[in-house]
Amino acid sequence: DTEVTQTPKHLVMGMTNKKSLKCEQHMGHRAMYWYKQKAKKPPELMFVYSYEKLSINESVPSRFSPECPNSSLLNLHLHALQPEDSALYLCASSQDGTSGELFFGEGSRLTVL
Amino acid sequence: GQQLNQSPQSMFIQEGEDVSMNCTSSSIFNTWLWYKQDPGEGPVLLIALYKAGELTSNGRLTAQFGITRKDSFLNISASIPSDVGIYFCAGHFLPGGSQGNLIFGKGTKLSVKP
Repeated sequence: DTEVTQTPKHLVMGMTNKKSLKCEQHMGHRAMYWYKQKAKKPPELMFVYSYEKLSINESVPSRFSPECPNSSLLNLHLHALQPEDSALYLCASSQDGTSGELFFGEGSRLTVL
Repeated sequence: GQQLNQSPQSMFIQEGEDVSMNCTSSSIFNTWLWYKQDPGEGPVLLIALYKAGELTSNGRLTAQFGITRKDSFLNISASIPSDVGIYFCAGHFLPGGSQGNLIFGKGTKLSVKP
C-alpha cells in the first residue's frame, strides 16, 4: 500500500471548470512533488515544494497552480485546462528533497473535455 | 537538458528467463535509481545506488552504478508473471547542494509469458 494518498483517482472536467487535485503523506517528508505522465511516457516534473516553499517550477503554464498548505498536504488547482492536459498526475514525496528516493501516490487520472 | 537513454524499449520473455536492461547518460549523476510502474499505479522504488561501482541486490533484482557515473544496469533473474510492468531508470543530481533533480529514462516495458 502506498503511503502517499491522492484524490480523486479519476477526474473529468470541462475546459471552463475549476477543480483541484489533492495529495497527502504522513511519513514526515519535507519535500513534495507534482509530476505529469502521458501514456507510454516517463513522469515529467512540474513542481517541487521543499519545507513548504515552492523550490522548482518547471515552466508550467499558469492554468496549473500548486499549493502546499502544510508539510503533509499538497494541492494542484486546475483552471481553464486544455484537452492536451489530460494525463495521469502523480504526487510524490521524499525525506528532504536531497535524494532521488521518491514515494509516489497512485495518481489522479485527469480527462479534459 | 540532461537525457537518459534506456534500452531496450520493450522485452517479451518466457517465465523463468533472466532480464537485463540498462541506462546511459552523457552527464554524471550522484545517484542512480530504478523504479517499476504497474498499470494504473505510481512508480515504486526498487533499488537506489549511491556510489560509482556499487552493486546492489534486492531479491531477484541486481543493479549496478557504472564506474563512470554515467550508466547503470538492472538485472532480474528467473522472471515471474508479476514482474510485468514498466521499469524506469532515473538519475539524480544535486546542483550546488540545493534542491535535487530527478531525471527519468523512457522506460522498458516488460512482458512475461507464463
